[in-house]
Amino acid sequence: SAVISQKPSRDICQRGTSLTIQCQVDSQVTMMFWYRQQPGQSLTLIATANQGSEATYESGFVIDKFPISRPNLTFSTLTVSNMSPEDSSIYLCSVGNAGGINEQFFGPGTRLTVL
Amino acid sequence: AQTVTQSQPEMSVQEAETVTLSCTYDTSESDYYLFWYKQPPSRQMILVIRQEAYKQQNATENRFSVNFQKAAKSFSLKISDSQLGDAAMYFCAYSGTYKYIFGTGTRLKVLA
Repeated sequence: SAVISQKPSRDICQRGTSLTIQCQVDSQVTMMFWYRQQPGQSLTLIATANQGSEATYESGFVIDKFPISRPNLTFSTLTVSNMSPEDSSIYLCSVGNAGGINEQFFGPGTRLTVL
Repeated sequence: AQTVTQSQPEMSVQEAETVTLSCTYDTSESDYYLFWYKQPPSRQMILVIRQEAYKQQNATENRFSVNFQKAAKSFSLKISDSQLGDAAMYFCAYSGTYKYIFGTGTRLKVLA
C-alpha cells in the first residue's frame, strides 16, 4: 500500500482567503482523488486529479472554487478559494491504480476551519 | 446512478461480543467492488475489508467478515470478539469503475 502525507494537517483561516493543501505519495500512482468530509458527514468526491491535464470535477464542484494541480505521479495540490465558513471540512486525498482491484488508500486528511 | 445506504447511524457492542453493520447498495453494473473502511477519531481512513462482486465466497480478514448477498445487493460487516480499538465510524463504499461512492456511515461504540 502507498504511504500518503498531507500538509497542513489542520488550519484555521479567515473568510475570503485561500488555502492550498498538498498531497504527497511515496510511489507513483495513476489515480489521485480529492474528497471533502463535512462535519459529521460522509465523504464526497470533489475531483479526480489527472497528471498532465485538467482535473475532472464532480457535480457541484467547480475549478474556480477548487483548483487542482497534479504536476507528476506522486504529488497533487487542492486549493480552497475565497473561503466561507461552509468550507469548514476535512479534506482528504486518496490514491489508486488503474485496473486491478480498484482499492484506494487515503491520506490523513486536512482539517480546515473557516472563521 | 449507484447509491449506498447504511441504515444504522449508530451501533453499540459489548467488548468481546459480535456486531453486524448493515449496508445495501443499488447498481445496474455487473462487475464492481465493495469495501468497508474504518475512520477512528484520528480521521485516517483505514481499509477493513474488500469484496469483489464476481467472487461468491465472502471475504474475511481476521475478526472481520462480510455477508455478501449479490442478488439482494446487501453487504454487511461482522466484527467478532469486538475490541475497544474497534470503536470508530465505519463506511461502506462501492466502486464500479474507479470512483468510490460512500454510505453515510455507522458509528460503532464498544462498551467495556
